[in-house]
Amino acid sequence: EAGVTQFPSHSVIEKGQTVTLRCDPISGHDNLYWYRRVMGKEIKFLLHFVKESKQDESGMPNNRFLAERTGGTYSTLKVQPAELEDSGVYFCASSQFSLAGDRDTQYFGPGTRLTVL
Amino acid sequence: AQTVTQSQPEMSVQEAETVTLSCTYDTSESDYYLFWYKQPPSRQMILVIRQEAYKQQNATENRFSVNFQKAAKSFSLKISDSQLGDAAMYFCAYRSAFDEYGNKLVFGAGTILRVKS
Repeated sequence: EAGVTQFPSHSVIEKGQTVTLRCDPISGHDNLYWYRRVMGKEIKFLLHFVKESKQDESGMPNNRFLAERTGGTYSTLKVQPAELEDSGVYFCASSQFSLAGDRDTQYFGPGTRLTVL
Repeated sequence: AQTVTQSQPEMSVQEAETVTLSCTYDTSESDYYLFWYKQPPSRQMILVIRQEAYKQQNATENRFSVNFQKAAKSFSLKISDSQLGDAAMYFCAYRSAFDEYGNKLVFGAGTILRVKS
């Protein structure tokens, strides 16, 4: 079974440009999460999809970030326009269920390292 | 809001010896889940062990075990018979058991574990 995949693995862009990150969850996982780790700090939650619906977007930093999950499969996270403080590693995770004991384990992708110059 | 603190930025252990990684958390909730995730260099994060707060028995997974002290809000990870493959960044994480708080994980800043041969 394929794990969570993310593309690209690295992205270097100039301040003011746009970047789109993609996440493909494990097949059959309705729950998809985005997290971000800024250098040396905690991994912070950004948002949670259940299928194509945003269940919780309380961690989205501002309106420069737009997440979509059309059709309830893969998700994209667009940053427009990018700022220096957006640099970090963006992780995606998926789970089959939410709040369902052992069946709600979140499986993480390898992350996308974003550098904004 | 819940917080998770990992006070050891880096730890070292000799191969075959035992090491304990510390984690404390702050919450006003009575029921929750605690996790240890491992991220090897350039690889994705994987779940090491999970503890449910209502269970008094400490979770174990092969060489990995936890010391869960609910009153002290402490959740340390013990790795026995350390192996070179245990070298990684270890993250402690918290998740509420209540649906209204969502399914997001709250992470600590991580501890880098180095294993010496």
